[in-house]
Amino acid sequence: SQTIHQWPATLVQPVGSPLSLECTVEGTSNPNLYWYRQAAGRGLQLLFYSVGIGQISSEVPQNLSASRPQDRQFILSSKKLLLSDSGFYLCAWSTSGGVYNEQFFGPGTRLTVL
Amino acid sequence: AQKVTQAQTEISVVEKEDVTLDCVYETRDTTYYLFWYKQPPSGELVFLIRRNSFDEQNEISGRYSWNFQKSTSSFNFTITASQVVDSAVYFCALSGSGANSKLTFGKGITLSVRP
Repeated sequence: SQTIHQWPATLVQPVGSPLSLECTVEGTSNPNLYWYRQAAGRGLQLLFYSVGIGQISSEVPQNLSASRPQDRQFILSSKKLLLSDSGFYLCAWSTSGGVYNEQFFGPGTRLTVL
Repeated sequence: AQKVTQAQTEISVVEKEDVTLDCVYETRDTTYYLFWYKQPPSGELVFLIRRNSFDEQNEISGRYSWNFQKSTSSFNFTITASQVVDSAVYFCALSGSGANSKLTFGKGITLSVRP
């Protein structure tokens, strides 16, 4: 069966510090991968998605970036965090070329920027 | 463009009451897929159901049931005899038929079930 991992679970970072959140998927090959952000009490905002190694599509311009160095690894980064980057970050995967396109989510990382 | 509207933002019920969460969608695709996800306080989104646009049969799973009506572009979710553990944020989502189509999420409904 497939599982998706995210770490860290929680993170408190000062403004201006760098960020690296990691997501890995097990039990599937060549998945589509997604990063979402959920601000407190709000809906899901798609940040990035990837259909393959090195292929990243950005949905929202901002000071975040994403990379996919391996097939089942997706990394969300920032060189300098802003207060507005606080939120709950969710990674998700779906079957590549799948018909139904349902996504399965990881446990999330709660980021607080102070 | 696709759109999902969850007009209810917060619902509060007493345990054992039935509750219906509304979802209205817009799409130009003739084939599409609808989903419901549950986000408990722990934060992880849990996949509940997928419904194909060409299958209008309603579905029941235990205390959960889903009513898909193409004529009104709605995909409503009913919880029968609600329990405190049903307290969560519920998201409705829509996907097109193309491979690698992304999900369009509604803003979510916060359901609180009081003992």
